[in-house]
Amino acid sequence: QQPVQSPQAVILREGEDAVINCSSSKALYSVHWYRQKHGEAPVFLMILLKGGEQKGHDKISASFNEKKQQSSLYLTASQLSYSGTYFCGTPQGETSGSRLTFGEGTQLTVNP
Amino acid sequence: DAMVIQNPRYQVTQFGKPVTLSCSQTLNHNVMYWYQQKSSQAPKLLFHYYDKDFNNEADTPDNFQSRRPNTSFCFLDIRSPGLGDAAMYLCATSRDLGMYQPQHFGDGTRLSIL
Repeated sequence: QQPVQSPQAVILREGEDAVINCSSSKALYSVHWYRQKHGEAPVFLMILLKGGEQKGHDKISASFNEKKQQSSLYLTASQLSYSGTYFCGTPQGETSGSRLTFGEGTQLTVNP
Repeated sequence: DAMVIQNPRYQVTQFGKPVTLSCSQTLNHNVMYWYQQKSSQAPKLLFHYYDKDFNNEADTPDNFQSRRPNTSFCFLDIRSPGLGDAAMYLCATSRDLGMYQPQHFGDGTRLSIL
């Protein structure tokens, strides 16, 4: 079951904030976040595990709500370099390990 | 720098003509993955190797096969490419199979079918 991401696309001005959501109809055991720029490889951002933890990476942070089966990625004070497509990836099941199913992606555009 | 390298970056083949894409890694990771990514879509896992153990996803077409002759190299073979196989093919690695393991991607090979 593919996770569902929202919104599909968002356009920001430099310095604005954004939230990208990733939700699943099945139990979530971990959530991976990647960013992919056009024509380039996806780049790992962070992984969240069960326990509702929140992680941060520069001005990008994420939370994981196990009960709601949802993760959110927070981008604060966005920079031009944040532009790209953001994918969340989730294991198919508890024994799926690192085999991920990715959401359809959220295209983020940051304009000057 | 340790990395995942895919060759070639662009590959053109004819309908039905076998094609091989290659991936190498200097990370010494145990797991190597192949994903198919069509335009504006999510990467879709085709299969992975844990060391020499091959694991196929249930919905991966029989047309797609893979070889991993050693830790560093992995190949994707498409036996009889159809027009629907035109896509970006991404190779990725991870140290292990745990769900906490980040994946490191190569830049991909964009495959076109004439």
